[in-house]
Amino acid sequence: NAGVTQTPKFRVLKTGQSMTLLCAQDMNHEYMYWYRQDPGMGLRLIHYSVGEGTTAKGEVPDGYNVSRLKKQNFLLGLESAAPSQTSVYFCASSERRTNTGELFFGEGSRLTVL
Amino acid sequence: ELKVEQNPLFLSMQEGKNYTIYCNYSTTSDRLYWYRQDPGKSLESLFVLLSNGAVKQEGRLMASLDTKARLSTLHITAAVHDLSATYFCAVEEYKLSFGAGTTVTVRA
Repeated sequence: NAGVTQTPKFRVLKTGQSMTLLCAQDMNHEYMYWYRQDPGMGLRLIHYSVGEGTTAKGEVPDGYNVSRLKKQNFLLGLESAAPSQTSVYFCASSERRTNTGELFFGEGSRLTVL
Repeated sequence: ELKVEQNPLFLSMQEGKNYTIYCNYSTTSDRLYWYRQDPGKSLESLFVLLSNGAVKQEGRLMASLDTKARLSTLHITAAVHDLSATYFCAVEEYKLSFGAGTTVTVRA
C-alpha cells in the first residue's frame, strides 16, 4: 500500500531552470496539497486541489504552478527556479467526506536551487 | 489570517519527567491535529481532535483541545528517548495551518 508517493526525492537546479514535482496517491482521496517546509516556519501551503481539474492558491503560491488532470496525481511546477525556492516540499492528500479530514503526507522532495 | 503559535519551540526533556507543549490559535475552529516528524522524514499523524473538550491518548502522549480558550496541549508523560522528534499542531479553517513546530530532545 503506497499511500502518497513523491518524485523525485532530491533535485538540484540552477537559477532559472524549470522542473516538475509529481505527487501520486492511491487512496482515492479528493483533496491534495503541496506544502513547503523551511526551518522554523512549519509547513506553508503553496497550492491545493479539492478535486480533479480544480486548483487553488494557498499561502505562498508565487513562483509555482500546479495541475490536477487526474484524481490521483497533483503536479507542482517551478517555471524559473530561484534560490528562495530551496526547500523541502511535501505533498499530502485527504478524504474530506470522512469526519476527520486528516492529511496523509508523502516522504518529501528536497530541492536545492543554486 | 489564521495564526497558530506553538511553545516552546525547543524542548530539552529529561528521561522520566513530564512536559507539555502548547498550541494557541486565532480562529474559532474546532478541528485540530497533532503530527510528529522525525529528522529527514515525513509527517506522521498523532491525534485528531474534533470538538471542544476532546482528549486523546496514545502511550505516553495525551492531547486535549479547549476551543473556548483556542488552546491545545500535548502532554508527555515520563519522557523516553524514542519521543525525540519535532511535533506540529495544525488547525483547520478552510485549510490546515501549521504551527512552527516544537523540537523535542530527550536526554538521559
